[in-house]
Amino acid sequence: SAVISQKPSRDICQRGTSLTIQCQVDSQVTMMFWYRQQPGQSLTLIATANQGSEATYESGFVIDKFPISRPNLTFSTLTVSNMSPEDSSIYLCSVDRREGSYEQYFGPGTRLTVT
Amino acid sequence: AQSVSQHNHHVILSEAASLELGCNYSYGGTVNLFWYVQYPGQHLQLLLKYFSGDPLVKGIKGFEAEFIKSKFSFNLRKPSVQWSDTAEYFCAVNTGANNLFFGTGTRLTVIP
Repeated sequence: SAVISQKPSRDICQRGTSLTIQCQVDSQVTMMFWYRQQPGQSLTLIATANQGSEATYESGFVIDKFPISRPNLTFSTLTVSNMSPEDSSIYLCSVDRREGSYEQYFGPGTRLTVT
Repeated sequence: AQSVSQHNHHVILSEAASLELGCNYSYGGTVNLFWYVQYPGQHLQLLLKYFSGDPLVKGIKGFEAEFIKSKFSFNLRKPSVQWSDTAEYFCAVNTGANNLFFGTGTRLTVIP
C-alpha cells in the first residue's frame, strides 16, 4: 500500500488568490493523479502527473488554471489559480497501486472554500 | 463520454438488513470496475475490483459485487450490514487509460 499525505487539509481563500496543494507519497510512484470533488458531485480527474514530463490535463481543465509540478517520484503540487467560489471543492491526489494496475490509493483530500 | 450512475443517493438501513447499491456505466468496450468506500473522516479506500473472470467478486468486510455485462451494471451487495458499514460508497470505472470515472456516491447510514 501507499501512504499519501496532503497539505493543507483545508483552507479558506479569497477570490482572485491562488493556493498550492502539496501531495507527498511514502514510496516512489510513476503516476500521480489530481481529482476534484465539487459539492454533491462525483470525483473528476483534473490531470495526470508523471515525473519529468508535463502533466496531462483532462477536458475542461487547463494548465493556466491548475498548474501542476512533479519534481520527483514522491511529490507533486497542484495550484488552483485566480480562484473563484466555483473552485470550492475537495481536491484529492492519488497514485497507482502499482504501475498499470488501475487501482489507486487516495490522499485525505484538501477542502478548499473560496469566498 | 463515459459515465457512471449510482441511483441511490442516501440509503438508510437497520443493522442486519441486506444491502444492494446500484451502479451502471456507459461504455461499450472492456472495463475495469471498482467500488471504493470512504468511512467518516477517512481516505477513500478500495473495497473490491473486477478486471476479468468470475463476474461475482468478493471484497473486504463481507462485500461482494456482480458484474452483469449485458446490463452494464456492477452492483454492490452485503447480506447483513453492520453499524460500522456507515460510509459513502463510490462506484468507479476504468476503460484502459489511467483515469477512473466515478459515480456520485451513495451515502449509507446503518442504524444500530
